[in-house]
Amino acid sequence: QLQLQESGPGLVKPSETLSLTCTVSGVSISSSNYFWGWIRQPPGKGLEWIETFYYGGSTYYNPSLKSRATMSVDASRNQFSLRLSSVTAADTAVYYCGRRLLNAPFDIWGQGTMVTVSS
Amino acid sequence: EIVMTQSPATLSVSPGERANLSCRASQSVSSNLAWYQQKPGQAPRLLIYGASTRATGIPARFSGSGSGTEFTLTISSLQSEDFVVYYCQQYDNWPRTFGQGTKLEIK
Repeated sequence: QLQLQESGPGLVKPSETLSLTCTVSGVSISSSNYFWGWIRQPPGKGLEWIETFYYGGSTYYNPSLKSRATMSVDASRNQFSLRLSSVTAADTAVYYCGRRLLNAPFDIWGQGTMVTVSS
Repeated sequence: EIVMTQSPATLSVSPGERANLSCRASQSVSSNLAWYQQKPGQAPRLLIYGASTRATGIPARFSGSGSGTEFTLTISSLQSEDFVVYYCQQYDNWPRTFGQGTKLEIK
């Protein structure tokens, strides 16, 4: 059974870099036709898409993040990671990693990890 | 960027009745429209994709319709667990965008 689990620092200082990891179990992240990515949700607010990638293929980022987001993959650990630089209080949110199939929306999510940006 | 607008922001309906939630796209997204349900403290749950196809395990009381720029999520015979928040999302263009959500509350 496919499962995703986010992990992260919980608290990050303003102007620093946020690093989150999504650990995938039950399927290889290099499997064909699977796409992976992140969304986030500020407290009490709606959902915002961050990025989506296909292993060995292209990565798409939300331009609203103004090039602060970077994705990386560790296939040996079946993990992918998100780095978000120069964070501000506006980046405080629950971050979810997810999986989607080709030409489909995200259908499986992790439980989410809360990140607070504060000094 | 395609702007997704959901209406109303809050919908009050009695249990057992039908609810119609609307989602409008600022430009055509064909049928590349999904609906998610989100309960407090939980990740979003995919209900509908392709504008009208129920995801695996979703009860038949949930149905979706529409194409292009106008979409509707219908929940027939509302159950107590249905009174939560619903989001639409387009996956036709980058960046993927969500509506701001509709909160379904008990009347």
